[in-house]
Amino acid sequence: DTGVSQDPRHKITKRGQNVTFRCDPISEHNRLYWYRQTLGQGPEFLTYFQNEAQLEKSRLLSDRFSAERPKGSFSTLEIQRTEQGDSAMYLCASSLTDRSPLHFGNGTRLTVT
Amino acid sequence: GENVEQHPSTLSVQEGDSAVIKCTYSDSASNYFPWYKQELGKRPQLIIDIRSNVGEKKDQRIAVTLNKTAKHFSLHITETQPEDSAVYFCVRDMRFGAGTRLTVKP
Repeated sequence: DTGVSQDPRHKITKRGQNVTFRCDPISEHNRLYWYRQTLGQGPEFLTYFQNEAQLEKSRLLSDRFSAERPKGSFSTLEIQRTEQGDSAMYLCASSLTDRSPLHFGNGTRLTVT
Repeated sequence: GENVEQHPSTLSVQEGDSAVIKCTYSDSASNYFPWYKQELGKRPQLIIDIRSNVGEKKDQRIAVTLNKTAKHFSLHITETQPEDSAVYFCVRDMRFGAGTRLTVKP
């Protein structure tokens, strides 16, 4: 079990640029989740996938955010036209079922300047 | 999504004392009730979970109790140690509570 891996670990970008993050879940896990966490706050749910299907997306998520999981394995999260308020830690997690533990990656820290 | 309220937001105890954190939820669609611990600069990790067919589960110094009628579930840590200092989160339907920052003073 190599765990959940995320790439890159850190990303610094200028306001207005697009960024894309990648998450590789634990191989046998069907469910994949994206969260955003800012300092002093809990992880905020963004979206999740069951295999390749995106089943729920937070209504707090603007249309600048899009996520894909094309083959039901790795996932990408893209943020278009980044804003300073997008600066946060983006966490990916995976789980076997909806009633099993979330396994988190180390996250991608985004800084928008 | 599920609405979950977590209390208290901060908790400070003396080493050896017990700590209790409570989460209240608004519906009972899911029968899965996990708790996560997040140490500073690290990822959240599951510490204990319970399913609604039981009312209590214990793992050494950590326990979770569930009251489905009142719609709340609680995390209990006994004989606290300084390494228990962290932020603890309950989760319902993929949504995290606001967190409780536990400080255990030696």
